[in-house]
Amino acid sequence: ELKVEQNPLFLSMQEGKNYTIYCNYSTTSDRLYWYRQDPGKSLESLFVLLSNGAVKQEGRLMASLDTKARLSTLHITAAVHDLSATYFCAVHPMEYGNKLVFGAGTILRVKS
Amino acid sequence: DVKVTQSSRYLVKRTGEKVFLECVQDMDHENMFWYRQDPGLGLRLIYFSYDVKMKEKGDIPEGYSVSREKKERFSLILESASTNQTSMYLCASSRPSGPWEFFGPGTRLTVL
Repeated sequence: ELKVEQNPLFLSMQEGKNYTIYCNYSTTSDRLYWYRQDPGKSLESLFVLLSNGAVKQEGRLMASLDTKARLSTLHITAAVHDLSATYFCAVHPMEYGNKLVFGAGTILRVKS
Repeated sequence: DVKVTQSSRYLVKRTGEKVFLECVQDMDHENMFWYRQDPGLGLRLIYFSYDVKMKEKGDIPEGYSVSREKKERFSLILESASTNQTSMYLCASSRPSGPWEFFGPGTRLTVL
């Protein structure tokens, strides 16, 4: 059974701290996505990682991909309140054609 | 900018009613998707379409049908709404080669 597991599912952190969200998946995928969702709003694209060892950074967020371990990480550096949102990873399994499979999401709350 | 719009942000219906959710995209994308989002479960694919009049079942198609008569429009139909279909419904579109799926704002459906 195809699984995409994120952990933690809920993360409460202080401003200024660092933390990592993990995304494990159980099948071969040629790309991995990270999306952000603010409360009451739709999903906003953050990163797409296309190869083993890929690393992408935008502001205080950095995403990486290890296809051999089937693991992606989203690292948050010196968190600020504006990063509070739900973060989803999604994989593009080879056998699924054009479809994405999403993790359950990580709710991030950054406290001032 | 890609724009994906959905016909309603909030909808309240009664059990047994027929419900139509409409999605329109303006970027000439071939692929369109319907997801439902529930807390702790992430996004689950209901149906998708890779061309006009073409459709494929996703992971949870039971109780739903879809229609794609024009390239830009993808409709989700609940033939006889039930309370367990209360959820957030998200539409998305993409090109066949990807990489991104672009999401609409979502429709929060409540079935009483």
